[in-house]
Amino acid sequence: EAGVAQSPRYKIIEKRQSVAFWCNPISGHATLYWYQQILGQGPKLLIQFQNNGVVDDSQLPKDRFSAERLKGVDSTLKIQPAKLEDSAVYLCASSLTDAGGPDTQYFGPGTRLTVL
Amino acid sequence: QKEVEQNSGPLSVPEGAIASLNCTYSDRGSQSFFWYRQYSGKSPELIMSIYSNGDKEDGRFTAQLNKASQYVSLLIRDSQPSDSATYLCAVTGGGADGLTFGKGTHLIIQP
Repeated sequence: EAGVAQSPRYKIIEKRQSVAFWCNPISGHATLYWYQQILGQGPKLLIQFQNNGVVDDSQLPKDRFSAERLKGVDSTLKIQPAKLEDSAVYLCASSLTDAGGPDTQYFGPGTRLTVL
Repeated sequence: QKEVEQNSGPLSVPEGAIASLNCTYSDRGSQSFFWYRQYSGKSPELIMSIYSNGDKEDGRFTAQLNKASQYVSLLIRDSQPSDSATYLCAVTGGGADGLTFGKGTHLIIQP
């Protein structure tokens, strides 16, 4: 079974530029998550989708970050304009979310963003 | 604000010994608890999940949960150099909720 795919793996941009990340979840997984992991910290949830609807975006800085999940499969996360403090690894995760009980999240390889 | 606390370490353990990692959480409504291992430059990898009070064993790993004390731990028996990594504790309210992570404990297994 293929895992969570993300691209690009690395991105370097100047502050105030825009950037977009792409995620393809594990086939059949209904729930998709974007996390931000700053060096030395644990991942922080930015946004959660179930199918193509937003479940939780309470920690998403909406003045500069946006995300969408069209057709309930792939997702993109965009930052516009980027700030120095956005330098981090952006992790995408997915989970099956059947009605039977606890869920397990599987993480993609991440995109390492450096803002200069 | 949900919080998960871990000692950042580094925690240094001799090869073959037991490594003990600890985690406390603030939200009494938390239902599901996870330990992820993260090697430098890699993404988190799930190694244990636990949902009810008590111990859960899987190979060399044992997770322990005490909801009354809001405390989760991970024991690694017969520690190997390949166990050297950052161990992240994560909790959720249950179901498909997003994870709240601690900062992680950096574990070093000394050959």
